[in-house]
Amino acid sequence: NAGVTQTPKFRILKIGQSMTLQCAQDMNHNYMYWYRQDPGMGLKLIYYSVGAGITDKGEVPNGYNVSRSTTEDFPLRLELAAPSQTSVYFCATRDSTYEQYFGPGTRLTVT
Amino acid sequence: AQSVTQLDSHVSVSEGTPVLLRCNYSSSYSPSLFWYVQHPNKGLQLLLKYTSAATLVKGINGFEAEFKKSETSFHLTKPSAHMSDAAEYFCVVSLSGGYNKLIFGAGTRLAVHP
Repeated sequence: NAGVTQTPKFRILKIGQSMTLQCAQDMNHNYMYWYRQDPGMGLKLIYYSVGAGITDKGEVPNGYNVSRSTTEDFPLRLELAAPSQTSVYFCATRDSTYEQYFGPGTRLTVT
Repeated sequence: AQSVTQLDSHVSVSEGTPVLLRCNYSSSYSPSLFWYVQHPNKGLQLLLKYTSAATLVKGINGFEAEFKKSETSFHLTKPSAHMSDAAEYFCVVSLSGGYNKLIFGAGTRLAVHP
């Protein structure tokens, strides 16, 4: 089992560009999450999903969008990238014991 | 409001000496508590979790943590540090119910010296 996979690993964007961060899981977990981690900080929740077709905002959703058309995939869309979105992005799933499983992260730089 | 405070941003120990990483939490509910470890340029890995069973929780790689409700603490310990323990450690509170919101502490960077 691959667990939680994320692509790309690294990306540099120019201000105003857009991109999609991909997240996939093979554990059949209903709950999925997107976090961002700024330097020297803990993770902050951007969006989450409790199942296919259901998504909701977390603490810091501005500038992002998500969709969840399947159980396996939970892409994060950045529209009009800004320098404030420079961060490391982690996707995670949750099992029935409330344990969350994290992907390896995507390091994004917006210049 | 729920919050997590990691009392030390950096901890430095010598190899073979004990490790203590301190965490205090604030929660109106009965929380689940976790410690995650993040090695450089890696994702987060679960070390251990407390979910209202035994108050002393044993995790991977010789780590353990004790839940003390009266002190609202969940400190992480290890009897003998290894060089491979050098990493960032996050104390995390989970509010069960709803979407299982995780609240992360700011992290403690552990350095291990030979």
